[in-house]
Amino acid sequence: DAGVIQSPRHEVTEMGQEVTLRCKPISGHNSLFWYRQTMMRGLELLIYFNNNVPIDDSGMPEDRFSAKMPNASFSTLKIQPSEPRDSAVYFCASSVQGSNQPQHFGDGTRLSIL
Amino acid sequence: GEDVEQSLFLSVREGDSSVINCTYTDSSSTYLYWYKQEPGAGLQLLTYIFSNMDMKQDQRLTVLLNKKDKHLSLRIADTQTGDSAIYFCAESMNTGRRALTFGSGTRLQVQP
Repeated sequence: DAGVIQSPRHEVTEMGQEVTLRCKPISGHNSLFWYRQTMMRGLELLIYFNNNVPIDDSGMPEDRFSAKMPNASFSTLKIQPSEPRDSAVYFCASSVQGSNQPQHFGDGTRLSIL
Repeated sequence: GEDVEQSLFLSVREGDSSVINCTYTDSSSTYLYWYKQEPGAGLQLLTYIFSNMDMKQDQRLTVLLNKKDKHLSLRIADTQTGDSAIYFCAESMNTGRRALTFGSGTRLQVQP
């Protein structure tokens, strides 16, 4: 079975550019999560969706970050404009909705903003 | 508030048992998880335990939960070099907010 698929795996871009990260959740999963991992702050939730609807975006750092889920099989996380402090590994995870359902993670996108 | 703590580093010899510890503060935690992260990879779910359980065993992995002390441990029997990775403890709660709260991760180094 295909797991959570993220693209690109690596992204290097200059500050000020727009960055779009993509995620395809596991088929049949209706909850999707975006996390960010840094050395300083560890793993932090940015936003999550249930049935394509954003439920909690309190972790989104600022207005430069936005996330969408236009359908059950695709989500994007966009940063515009990007800044060097956005450099991190961004993970997408999905699960079946329900508090006892484990989250399955993609391999992440390693983002470097120069 | 939510807080999950782990020791940063553990070194063991191949064939020994490894015990990775985790403490959490939120008594409303319902599920506790162990994830493994290898270099350059995502988080792989290893196992999880419901808060009304004391122990769960799955092949070489044993999870122990002391709910009174809010202490969770992961024991890996017969540790192999392939077990070298960062291990994350995470909790979730039976509330509206479904996100996982992660510890900082324990780097396990297995020496041959």
